[in-house]
Amino acid sequence: GAVVSQHPSRVICKSGTSVKIECRSLDFQATTMFWYRQFPKKSLMLMATSNEGSKATYEQGVEKDKFLINHASLTLSTLTVTSAHPEDSSFYICSALIAGPYNEQFFGPGTRLTVL
Amino acid sequence: KNEVEQSPQNLTAQEGEFITINCSYSVGISALHWLQQHPGGGIVSLFMLSSGKKKHGRLIATINIQEKHSSLHITASHPRDSAVYICAVRYGTDKLIFGTGTRLQVFP
Repeated sequence: GAVVSQHPSRVICKSGTSVKIECRSLDFQATTMFWYRQFPKKSLMLMATSNEGSKATYEQGVEKDKFLINHASLTLSTLTVTSAHPEDSSFYICSALIAGPYNEQFFGPGTRLTVL
Repeated sequence: KNEVEQSPQNLTAQEGEFITINCSYSVGISALHWLQQHPGGGIVSLFMLSSGKKKHGRLIATINIQEKHSSLHITASHPRDSAVYICAVRYGTDKLIFGTGTRLQVFP
């Protein structure tokens, strides 16, 4: 299947700093990428849908100024957690969509963010 | 109300056993995904189904459109199959809706 990478896989930062997470589709072009957040032992929660060249669509309750999403190319989307706080500590997963008759979706390996 | 129900929530098995995980959804869907998440977090897409049955190695996924039900089977289970298995459905071209997952532990 298609490969989606995320970088970094793990990051620890101080409260108040900003952290950027990259999501790349390695062998296909993704017009749509999704960003999810997962709390321990919980299911994935969709944060936003990112379309190449346009503004991201955020889910209800997700602060767009806190979680900045940029989808500058067909193979790269970034999530920046601005002014991070300990409650932002979580597992963030991106996913890329191959548009077509089946809309197949592939997931990245995730990024574990710890804010001290 | 979660629109995707998985059962069981937790499952333990001895190595070699045949495993079945179930997923039910509420209305017509365009596609159903089975995902695997290992401790450490990375998610692997196992299957995407819109009808019938798919097989990959020891894994088999089936879907019954009329009954709005899908099953994931693991034959000859192995400790390395221990993971959380997640069912996710797509209604039309909309976003994926995830089940709560089934935590599987296979003991040697």
